[in-house]
Amino acid sequence: DAGITQSPRHKVTETGTPVTLRCHQTENHRYMYWYRQDPGHGLRLIHYSYGVKDTDKGEVSDGYSVSRSKTEDFLLTLESATSSQTSVYFCAITPGTSRSTDTQYFGPGTRLTVL
Amino acid sequence: AQSVTQLGSHVSVSEGALVLLRCNYSSSVPPYLFWYVQYPNQGLQLLLKYTTGATLVKGINGFEAEFKKSETSFHLTKPSAHMSDAAEYFCAVITNTGNQFYFGTGTSLTVIP
Repeated sequence: DAGITQSPRHKVTETGTPVTLRCHQTENHRYMYWYRQDPGHGLRLIHYSYGVKDTDKGEVSDGYSVSRSKTEDFLLTLESATSSQTSVYFCAITPGTSRSTDTQYFGPGTRLTVL
Repeated sequence: AQSVTQLGSHVSVSEGALVLLRCNYSSSVPPYLFWYVQYPNQGLQLLLKYTTGATLVKGINGFEAEFKKSETSFHLTKPSAHMSDAAEYFCAVITNTGNQFYFGTGTSLTVIP
């Protein structure tokens, strides 16, 4: 357990509405990541952060934005949700301040349904 | 660029039988390799990892994997399957100069009593 919580754990929303998912960690980890998990695709990286206000895009970043105003919180925002964004979203961290090549540890996930 | 291929999206074994889950990777530089397990409605848990050194890596719950550079493989094995091993297994790769994990599409393991 790397001290990661995600909120909400489940959410149902309608197409076109904004949605924000929160990842919270209590152990001052530097690197944080957002993934989506879809059948047949495994996990795909959306965005990641390597420090406060330092973020970068992953392979499926279109339609998503992120913010990290403090070390412990990494927010993922869907500006205008679409049905294709129905997925399970996982937050992950790399422990401490180590290089991002170290092991990643995952939160419990958020199941998002866009109707 | 790196990529991971997991052969077989579904694998079924009898309880007590050998478990073999296949993972092949593509990387132009030395990779770091990982196996994760996901139980229903949970996040991913690290099973084992290879970074450098000994190519046979032992993990939790009796699993092990061997890094074979010549075959670009990192197959996961367990000598005797247990009912509690039923889960989804993911192989992942990152290079020692990279900043992004690449995951395979996963293998769902079913254990038959």
